[in-house]
Amino acid sequence: AQSVSQHNHHVILSEAASLELGCNYSYGGTVNLFWYVQYPGQHLQLLLKYFSGDPLVKGIKGFEAEFIKSKFSFNLRKPSVQWSDTAEYFCDSSGNTPLVFGKGTRLSVIA
Amino acid sequence: KAGVTQTPRYLIKTRGQQVTLSCSPISGHRSVSWYQQTPGQGLQFLFEYFSETQRNKGNFPGRFSGRQFSNSRSEMNVSTLELGDSALYLCASRLGDQTYNEQFFGPGTRLTVL
Repeated sequence: AQSVSQHNHHVILSEAASLELGCNYSYGGTVNLFWYVQYPGQHLQLLLKYFSGDPLVKGIKGFEAEFIKSKFSFNLRKPSVQWSDTAEYFCDSSGNTPLVFGKGTRLSVIA
Repeated sequence: KAGVTQTPRYLIKTRGQQVTLSCSPISGHRSVSWYQQTPGQGLQFLFEYFSETQRNKGNFPGRFSGRQFSNSRSEMNVSTLELGDSALYLCASRLGDQTYNEQFFGPGTRLTVL
């Protein structure tokens, strides 16, 4: 069965630190990959997505992710986090079945 | 455009009861998916409807069911509630049935089972 693994359950960073959240998916065929974010008290919203083309995808708020097919990975990055990036981040994969989400990574950014 | 709306926002039920949750997708969106969100399990897919037909179903017991109406609104029903059903139930809509389409999420219904 298709699955998504997010390696980090809770990440704590200081402001201005660099961020990388890991995401690995299992499906070997054509896959669409997404990162969603859930800010405290808000709806889940799309950060970025990949379904074809340039494997380096840029999203909102300075986030980017790189699709590495050989590693089945789609890690999320941001060079310098801000306190407002405190949220829960979900990696999501859809291939021949609908969406499979990872369990989420909670990011806490401290001043 | 109005976003995805879910009613009610909060619900308290007791074990054994049944519950119906409602979701209104963004206007023009024909696909509606339901998810259960819990702290330990993250987001788990329940089912997806497109044009009134269930397209996919997650790994949940038969107590969980859903349907979609001709106006794309969807309802989810849970019968014989158990304590473990306490969760945030999220509805998401998207324009078409292609998996590369972005999903738009509602605020969720917080269900507490006592």
